[in-house]
Amino acid sequence: GAVVSQHPSWVICKSGTSVKIECRSLDFQATTMFWYRQFPKQSLMLMATSNEGSKATYEQGVEKDKFLINHASLTLSTLTVTSAHPEDSSFYICSASETEYGELFFGEGSRLTVL
Amino acid sequence: GQNIDQPTEMTATEGAIVQINCTYQTSGFNGLFWYQQHAGEAPTFLSYNVLDGLEEKGRFSSFLSRSKGYSYLLLKELQMKDSASYLCASMDSNYQLIWGAGTKLIIKP
Repeated sequence: GAVVSQHPSWVICKSGTSVKIECRSLDFQATTMFWYRQFPKQSLMLMATSNEGSKATYEQGVEKDKFLINHASLTLSTLTVTSAHPEDSSFYICSASETEYGELFFGEGSRLTVL
Repeated sequence: GQNIDQPTEMTATEGAIVQINCTYQTSGFNGLFWYQQHAGEAPTFLSYNVLDGLEEKGRFSSFLSRSKGYSYLLLKELQMKDSASYLCASMDSNYQLIWGAGTKLIIKP
């Protein structure tokens, strides 16, 4: 199947700093990429839908100024957690699809710990 | 409102068969997904159903009844590596995935 790579896998940062997470589709062009957050023992929560070349669509309750999403090319989307705080500590996962409503392929996930 | 229901936890024996049920209520319907997630890892795609009926893929099969808002994932010849959470997700009319909380499947020898 198609491969989606996410980087970094683990990141620890100090409160107040910004962290960038990359999501790359390695062997296909991703029209749409999704960003999720998963807190311990909870299900995935969709944060935003990212379409190449346009602004991301954020889910209700997700601060667009805090979670900056850039989908500059068909193989790369980035999520930047700005001014991170301990409550932003979570598992962040991206997924990508070749077509707008097709099968999703997930990245490995990035575990963010904010001290 | 939109809602996905699936059991929280199930236990089965190695070599046996287990069926994980999922009922959904979403605004519109564009398909039902099943994903497998091992602890600490990202989910992996298992199946997608948009038409009524059973789709078989090796040891795993998925069933959909649109009129009943019901799906199940059937796992045969269970192996210890099948111990994981199984996530049911419905795609609504806006093509957004509505996720269930997941069913933790415990396989015993």
